[in-house]
Amino acid sequence: AQKITQTQPGMFVQEKEAVTLDCTYDTSDPSYGLFWYKQPSSGEMIFLIYQGSYDQQNATEGRYSLNFQKARKSANLVISASQLGDSAMYFCAMRNFGNEKLTFGTGTRLTIIP
Amino acid sequence: DAGVTQSPTHLIKTRGQQVTLRCSPKSGHDTVSWYQQALGQGPQFIFQYYEEEERQRGNFPDRFSGHQFPNYSSELNVNALLLGDSALYLCASSSLREGADTQYFGPGTRLTVL
Repeated sequence: AQKITQTQPGMFVQEKEAVTLDCTYDTSDPSYGLFWYKQPSSGEMIFLIYQGSYDQQNATEGRYSLNFQKARKSANLVISASQLGDSAMYFCAMRNFGNEKLTFGTGTRLTIIP
Repeated sequence: DAGVTQSPTHLIKTRGQQVTLRCSPKSGHDTVSWYQQALGQGPQFIFQYYEEEERQRGNFPDRFSGHQFPNYSSELNVNALLLGDSALYLCASSSLREGADTQYFGPGTRLTVL
């Protein structure tokens, strides 16, 4: 069985600061993918970044980077130079290869303070 | 490039009724997955459709059924609605044919059961 744990229900960060959102996962499958999604109050889940279990380097997409520590089973999202528009719910998710479903964590509500 | 679209945006039903939700995948995608997101929780996988067949199913009762059409669009049907079915229903599309891992989500349909 696969499981995602996000231990930070909410975070408040000053605008322009960097923020790290924590995510740990549990799976016995050696092949898997890790995802981060952003969900504004409108409800749409917006894909941010992907990391494959065999990727040697940490994934980066613009201001987003994924701090992948395989031995610790953690996949933290780092947002650099936070902006007011970053205020939203953030979900970590994983998918074992060969299994179609995404398993999500409970999310972290990020609020950027001007 | 058209993204994932869902209709309707909001829906109010009463207990015992039936509901149909619709989803059009992102251009070029052939696979549609459905998720239920209760208030304050992460999305839960309902099922996935590929080549007009249910490919995988999550832990949901038979009251939840679906369909995929030749143009890859999909419907989610829920019979005998319960109060607990009130949630945001998210559709996600991906390209199984291209082996692409990432699921892209639509804006969701918010279902309220009274």
